[in-house]
Amino acid sequence: GENVEQHPSTLSVQEGDSAVIKCTYSDSASNYFPWYKQELGKGPQLIIDIRSNVGEKKDQRIAVTLNKTAKHFSLHITETQPEDSAVYFCAASFSSGSARQLTFGSGTQLTVLP
Amino acid sequence: DTAVSQTPKYLVTQMGNDKSIKCEQNLGHDTMYWYKQDSKKFLKIMFSYNNKELIINETVPNRFSPKSPDKAHLNLHINSLELGDSAVYFCASSQVWQGAYEQYFGPGTRLTVT
Repeated sequence: GENVEQHPSTLSVQEGDSAVIKCTYSDSASNYFPWYKQELGKGPQLIIDIRSNVGEKKDQRIAVTLNKTAKHFSLHITETQPEDSAVYFCAASFSSGSARQLTFGSGTQLTVLP
Repeated sequence: DTAVSQTPKYLVTQMGNDKSIKCEQNLGHDTMYWYKQDSKKFLKIMFSYNNKELIINETVPNRFSPKSPDKAHLNLHINSLELGDSAVYFCASSQVWQGAYEQYFGPGTRLTVT
């Protein structure tokens, strides 16, 4: 199966600064890498994703980069705002028999200080 | 419009009881999932159903039994509840057959076993 490691487990930044969260995966056949944001008391919300045929993807203040050779991908949040404070999860997809499933990283608690 | 909904949101019960959690999605997706999130926020898949057929069954005690009456619903029944079953349970759905792996999560059910 797939193993996904995520770092750091906690991250505090000043409002307006950038935040970077990094993940590594083990299965070279993985081809889909989503990022989820989970606010307190809510379910994880998909915020951005990238497929293995793309090296970088950007959506306003968030971007994801993928290095297939090194098997790692990162989430970048620029101009952070207090509402960005949440737990962020990376994930990687892999095949399990006839199915595909996601393996999640252990999460990063991001705190944006006003 | 709620895409993935779960009931109840909170469930407090005693050891040994049997309980059910219901999930419904109105996205027209063909695949649904149950995840367990423990106290350390770790997300782990339990089951996946595609068009009412079980396709993923991780190492979960057989006290947990998923049931999919139709492809828009996936319920989770738990027998003989134990203290260690206390967690937040998330339902999710995706449209896998089109090769789209985006998973959309429900708001979660916080189960507390006393």
